[in-house]
Amino acid sequence: EDQVTQSPEALRLQEGESSSLNCSYTVSGLRGLFWYRQDPGKGPEFLFTLYSAGEEKEKERLKATLTKKESFLHITAPKPEDSATYLCAVRSSGGYQKVTFGTGTKLQVIP
Amino acid sequence: ETGVTQTPRHLVMGMTNKKSLKCEQHLGHNAMYWYKQSAKKPLELMFVYSLEERVENNSVPSRFSPECPNSSHLFLHLHTLQPEDSALYLCASSPLQQGGEAFFGQGTRLTVV
Repeated sequence: EDQVTQSPEALRLQEGESSSLNCSYTVSGLRGLFWYRQDPGKGPEFLFTLYSAGEEKEKERLKATLTKKESFLHITAPKPEDSATYLCAVRSSGGYQKVTFGTGTKLQVIP
Repeated sequence: ETGVTQTPRHLVMGMTNKKSLKCEQHLGHNAMYWYKQSAKKPLELMFVYSLEERVENNSVPSRFSPECPNSSHLFLHLHTLQPEDSALYLCASSPLQQGGEAFFGQGTRLTVV
């Protein structure tokens, strides 16, 4: 069974204080690892897809990286508007369009 | 209107009621999904429709009944729910074969009393 574990559960940063969120996964045949951002009261918003170890994607202050066992979401010089819950998910080769999500990391950036 | 739209945004229903959640997407996607999101738990995939055909039913109780009349619309019919069914119900869509890159609606916050 596919598993996704995210850490930490919650993270509080000062504005400008860079950090990383972790997503560890166990999957039979990775068909993609996905990062989403979710604001309170809203649905998740897609950020990145990573397919193979060594791959990196960037968007503004966010950079996602992938190894064979985990992915990191690096946040450089965060701003208060980066506060949200960040979700990680994986798609495996088994199960049509089946995507398994982690429980998320709730990020709070203090001005 | 663009994106994925869900109605209603909030719903309170008794355990003997019958109600339906509606989802509409204007993105031209061929796959649509229902997810359940409960506090402190990961998003749970409930149903997947691909080209209007149900391809995944993730062991969901029969009191939840999905319907996909066309590639733009998805419904979730609810009847005789339990209080533990209270959650945020999210609809999503994606291009076929791109199930991980989904566009989500705002969700329906369901409370069963």
